Amino acid sequence: DIQMTQSPSSLSASVGDRVTITCRASQGIINYLAWYQHQPGKVPKALIYAASTLQSGVPSRFSGSGSGREFTLTISSLQPEDVGTYYCQRYNSAPPTFGGGTKVEIK
Amino acid sequence: EVQLVESGGGLVQPGRSLRLSCVASGFIFDDYAMNWVRQAPGKGLEWISGISWNSVTIAYADSVKGRFTISRDNAKKSVYLEMNSLRADDTALYYCAKAHHLLWDHFDHWGQGTLVAVSS
Repeated sequence: DIQMTQSPSSLSASVGDRVTITCRASQGIINYLAWYQHQPGKVPKALIYAASTLQSGVPSRFSGSGSGREFTLTISSLQPEDVGTYYCQRYNSAPPTFGGGTKVEIK
Repeated sequence: EVQLVESGGGLVQPGRSLRLSCVASGFIFDDYAMNWVRQAPGKGLEWISGISWNSVTIAYADSVKGRFTISRDNAKKSVYLEMNSLRADDTALYYCAKAHHLLWDHFDHWGQGTLVAVSS
C-alpha cells in the first residue's frame, strides 16, 4: 500500500504567519491528493482536492501545491479559527490512505 | 444542503456485532460512492471501507477485512456497516463520508459520526 507521511506532526505559529505542511507519498500519485481540516468537536472538512483545487467555500488563504510524491498545504496568513489538525489523503486507488496529521496551534 | 446522519453506535462486548447506518439527504444519493472512516481515541483518521454507487465495487482496509461488511440501499438513501467480531481496537468514532463523485475520490461531506466502544 502507498504510505502518506506528513511533516511536521505539530506546529505552533503566530496569527498572521505563513504556515506550510508537507505530505510525501511512498509512490507517485499524480495529483490525487486532498487536504482536510479537523477541529476539536467538529466534522472533518475538505479544504483542497486534486492537490491544488480549493473546495467550495474554503477561504483563499488556504492553498495546495505539488504532484507526484511531494505536496504542500499553505496557510498564507494563519487565523485563530485555523487551529486544528490537518490531514492529507491520497485517493487514486484503494486504500485511500490518510497521512498521520499535523496539529496546528496558535503561539 | 447535504446531510449525513449516522446511527447505531454504542457499547458492545468484544466478539459481538454492531450495525451502523448512515442516512443521506440533500443530494442524489445513487449518483455517489460512499465511505466509512473512523478515528480511534487520540489517533488520526483511518479509512475503513468504500462502496461504489451501484455496489459493484467494494473495498476494505486490511484492519477490518473479513469482519466488516459495507452495503447500501439506494431506495432508502442509506449506507450501512455491519461489524462482526469486534475488538477493543475497533473503539472509535465512525464517520460516514460522501465521495466527491467516484469511489476513488476525495470526501466532500462528512456526517457527525457515531461512537463505538468495544469493552467487556
